[in-house]
Amino acid sequence: DIQMTQSPSSLSASVGDRVTITCRASQGISNYLAWYQQKPGKVPNLLIYAASTLHSGVPSRFSGSGSGTDFTLTISSLQPEDVATYYCQKYISAPGTFGQGTKVEIK
Amino acid sequence: EVQLVESGGVVVQPGGSLRLSCAASGFTFDDYAMHWVRQAPGKGLEWVSLISWDGGSTYYADSVKGRFTISRDNSKNSLYLQMNSLRGEDTALYYCTKGSDVGTTTLLDYWGQGTLVTVSS
Repeated sequence: DIQMTQSPSSLSASVGDRVTITCRASQGISNYLAWYQQKPGKVPNLLIYAASTLHSGVPSRFSGSGSGTDFTLTISSLQPEDVATYYCQKYISAPGTFGQGTKVEIK
Repeated sequence: EVQLVESGGVVVQPGGSLRLSCAASGFTFDDYAMHWVRQAPGKGLEWVSLISWDGGSTYYADSVKGRFTISRDNSKNSLYLQMNSLRGEDTALYYCTKGSDVGTTTLLDYWGQGTLVTVSS
């Protein structure tokens, strides 16, 4: 099975900072990569799919890029409401393996 | 508005069985695959199982294969997860999730609030 590896596992940044999270697949998955946001105590929400397409209602400060094995989630200007754990997931086929998550905090 | 409401989570002894249910509304249920995803306390997300729109195809994570069975009743807009031979490591919040298409890709566009399963003696 394809493994998904995220880095870093956690980060702390200031409001307004540009934040980047990376996700690597152990085999190529084309652009079948999604990002989910899980705020503390809340249900996960789909953020980005097809590596770079924002889900409905997601602010434009979020963006995604990549194809094949290497992917990136970027928050262009970190806001207090972005405090959350972010997960990547490959969805080309079952199993729908998630990365281990990246916890984003405000410095 | 898409709604997914899970039920059935309880405290169960190791080796026991449990059936989770998910009531779906706000979309045409039999147009989409459905999934279960779980999250152990303080841990990350783990995809558990998928069932295609018509129930004809099912897939499982290796960690639950042979112990869990996913099913659906399209006449009742309901999804189920039969969990047998439960272990401590199955303790988690179990989310019912809607797939984005009819088949076997695993993009999850809507999530329920989850139901808590605790396996403990």
